[in-house]
Amino acid sequence: GAVVSQHPSRVICKSGTSVKIECRSLDFQATTMFWYRQFPKQSLMLMATSNEGSKATYEQGVEKDKFLINHASLTLSTLTVTSAHPEDSSFYICSAPSPDRGGIGHQPQHFGDGTRLSIL
Amino acid sequence: GENVEQHPSTLSVQEGDSAVIKCTYSDSASNYFPWYKQELGKRPQLIIDIRSNVGEKKDQRIAVTLNKTAKHFSLHITETQPEDSAVYFCAASRGTYKYIFGTGTRLKVLA
Repeated sequence: GAVVSQHPSRVICKSGTSVKIECRSLDFQATTMFWYRQFPKQSLMLMATSNEGSKATYEQGVEKDKFLINHASLTLSTLTVTSAHPEDSSFYICSAPSPDRGGIGHQPQHFGDGTRLSIL
Repeated sequence: GENVEQHPSTLSVQEGDSAVIKCTYSDSASNYFPWYKQELGKRPQLIIDIRSNVGEKKDQRIAVTLNKTAKHFSLHITETQPEDSAVYFCAASRGTYKYIFGTGTRLKVLA
């Protein structure tokens, strides 16, 4: 089945550091990937859509200069949290649509394991 | 904007009983409705999904029903087991690939 790998699983760093998170589709190609943020005991909030070969599309209220997204290849998207501050601490998780089923709009998404980011 | 409401936020049931989680969506263009199970600190896992041309779908102890007219869909888990304890999220499709997630239901199955 479709597997999405996310790395690292946990980051603890000082305020002002930039942190890069990688999301890879291991056994399929993904021209589109999604980045979510999840606060404790809350739902998944879509931050942006990562598009291979073009600019990411950000949801309303998400700072694109703060959360840099690069979709360098058909299997890799990266999210860089620039100059991170304590309020950026959260669980970040990526997903990619499965190539296996249905037509456009009917593809289940497969999630990475998530990255727990803690900014001191 | 489009949103998905999910109820209840927490649900405790005795082992062996059934659990029902309900969601309501607002975007009439939504046509795909997946359900995800998320254990603490882990990735959401797809457990069942339904498309708009179907009213009900079942997979062993799990079933999903969809009422497009009312914009309601529900998850039914029968014969619950302790390992069913987790947070469950419904979602409704938005556009080509995006989802809008519900707020989640924390299910606790008491042994």
